[in-house]
Amino acid sequence: DTEVTQTPKHLVMGMTNKKSLKCEQHMGHRAMYWYKQKAKKPPELMFVYSYEKLSINESVPSRFSPECPNSSLLNLHLHALQPEDSALYLCASSQGEGPETQYFGPGTRLLVL
Amino acid sequence: SQQGEEDPQALSIQEGENATMNCSYKTSINNLQWYRQNSGRGLVHLILIRSNEREKHSGRLRVTLDTSKKSSSLLITASRAADTASYFCATGSSNTGKLIFGQGTTLQVKP
Repeated sequence: DTEVTQTPKHLVMGMTNKKSLKCEQHMGHRAMYWYKQKAKKPPELMFVYSYEKLSINESVPSRFSPECPNSSLLNLHLHALQPEDSALYLCASSQGEGPETQYFGPGTRLLVL
Repeated sequence: SQQGEEDPQALSIQEGENATMNCSYKTSINNLQWYRQNSGRGLVHLILIRSNEREKHSGRLRVTLDTSKKSSSLLITASRAADTASYFCATGSSNTGKLIFGQGTTLQVKP
């Protein structure tokens, strides 16, 4: 199984809502990533879980909160988002640490009203 | 900050023609990767070239790497309408352990 799955595919939320994005991989990969991608821009790294240790992009606001329940699952908890947070959120995984090939999920299209 | 710069930003060709995209970067790397993204979808890994390699082939794809010029190119031969997508280079550094994506090239292949 070489697939990374993400749910939901689409999400519309108000600025006071709390929601979660989910990502799952069954490739035995030990590193998982969250990226944010705005239209016509490259993906920007938000968080990395590598061997269950979290690495944070310092510029990511605290209204985004990652969680890694186990090595196959990665969640992104969303709270009090702003309209500018509307974007495609991509999850990826790689076999280990380091700049290896990453396998991406199809993404969650988020709209914050 | 984004390390990779790609050109052209957009490219439109006829089916059967070749497409060439270029990527430049600023710091030392361990590898350089190319990804394809169809509209609004996830990225798909195409090819990885290591810093000690100069050229790599995969099917209709040919990638070159010139570390002295800090640049790479992706050539797609005999393009097809299905190749229409955005293409991103991504540089990998063992110092950071992360991939840094370039701005991307949008390729349109007309049938």
